[in-house]
Amino acid sequence: NAGVTQTPKFRILKIGQSMTLQCAQDMNHNYMYWYRQDPGMGLKLIYYSVGAGITDKGEVPNGYNVSRSTTEDFPLRLELAAPSQTSVYFCASPSPSGELFFGEGSRLTVL
Amino acid sequence: KNEVEQSPQNLTAQEGEFITINCSYSVGISALHWLQQHPGGGIVSLFMLSSGKKKHGRLIATINIQEKHSSLHITASHPRDSAVYICAPNTGNQFYFGTGTSLTVIP
Repeated sequence: NAGVTQTPKFRILKIGQSMTLQCAQDMNHNYMYWYRQDPGMGLKLIYYSVGAGITDKGEVPNGYNVSRSTTEDFPLRLELAAPSQTSVYFCASPSPSGELFFGEGSRLTVL
Repeated sequence: KNEVEQSPQNLTAQEGEFITINCSYSVGISALHWLQQHPGGGIVSLFMLSSGKKKHGRLIATINIQEKHSSLHITASHPRDSAVYICAPNTGNQFYFGTGTSLTVIP
């Protein structure tokens, strides 16, 4: 099993550009999460999904969108990039027993 | 309001020292996770525990549910233990995250 796979690892965007961060898991987990990590702050929940076709907002959803058309994939879309979205993004998925698996992270810079 | 408080925020130790990182939380939990993040790296799960104590190599994690407190201990610390350690209690499928303890172990 590859676990949770995130791409890209690094990306630089200009203000107003759009992009999608990809997240895939091959463990057949129902739950998937997108977090952002800013310096000196704990991970903040952007969006989460409890299964295919179901998504919901987390603590900091503004400026982002998600979809969950399959159990495996949970992409995060930034529509109009802003400097405030400069951050490190992590996708995560807990197993039914609660063990938490993270992707390797995506470092996004918006200039 | 911080549901999770970790201490210390930063810690520097000499190689071989015994290290303790503390975590206090305010929410009722089903389990608590200790995570490790190396500089510029991803996040890996070290422990998931809901009671008592777990040991993995030189790492020991304890939790006191009544006191809402957990500790992570590292025995015989080594420079490769240098990382950020994050406490993450969860209530069902909602996870809370501390801001992390940055550990530097000097040879």
